[in-house]
Amino acid sequence: EAQVTQNPRYLITVTGKKLTVTCSQNMNHEYMSWYRQDPGLGLRQIYYSMNVEVTDKGDVPEGYKVSRKEKRNFPLILESPSPNQTSLYFCASSFSGALREQFFGPGTRLTVL
Amino acid sequence: GENVEQHPSTLSVQEGDSAVIKCTYSDSASNYFPWYKQELGKGPQLIIDIRSNVGEKKDQRIAVTLNKTAKHFSLHITETQPEDSAVYFCAASRGNTPLVFGKGTRLSVIA
Repeated sequence: EAQVTQNPRYLITVTGKKLTVTCSQNMNHEYMSWYRQDPGLGLRQIYYSMNVEVTDKGDVPEGYKVSRKEKRNFPLILESPSPNQTSLYFCASSFSGALREQFFGPGTRLTVL
Repeated sequence: GENVEQHPSTLSVQEGDSAVIKCTYSDSASNYFPWYKQELGKGPQLIIDIRSNVGEKKDQRIAVTLNKTAKHFSLHITETQPEDSAVYFCAASRGNTPLVFGKGTRLSVIA
């Protein structure tokens, strides 16, 4: 089944404790991205990757890191999480860029205490 | 950069009625306008999209219209059903710039 998977789905952590949210797609997509969804603010892009080893900042990159060492994986790293990073996070992928259908993962709900 | 405004933020309709959600964008070079539906507990899913060389597109009960001069586009859902209840997002992009999403509309279809 073609899909985007994220892990974990739910995470409660404390301020400053490094964490990684994994994202993997099995559709051989070139383009992957991370969004955060907050009430009243919609979906905001954190980082995106046009291809392996190519990443770029989105609208809200502060406090986040990403890497794209393999085509199928695009992990999101929070080196020192803070409470304002409490949010619902979505990974998405598409065949090529933003002009094609984005396939979203099921989301990761992160709470930083 | 691109800015997308979406209205209304919430919308309630009776089953069988039509629903219209409107979006405006700021970048006249934007040329791709998708609409996503997000059901409770799930990620958004593309329901329809339109490109700037087309004024209207239909797919069964849903349609999207685009007015490039006014820089706005709208989603129309006819004969609404309870399963249409969800949050809907519009978005805009040009070339390979990232998609910029509106803030979403929560649609409730009352049976």
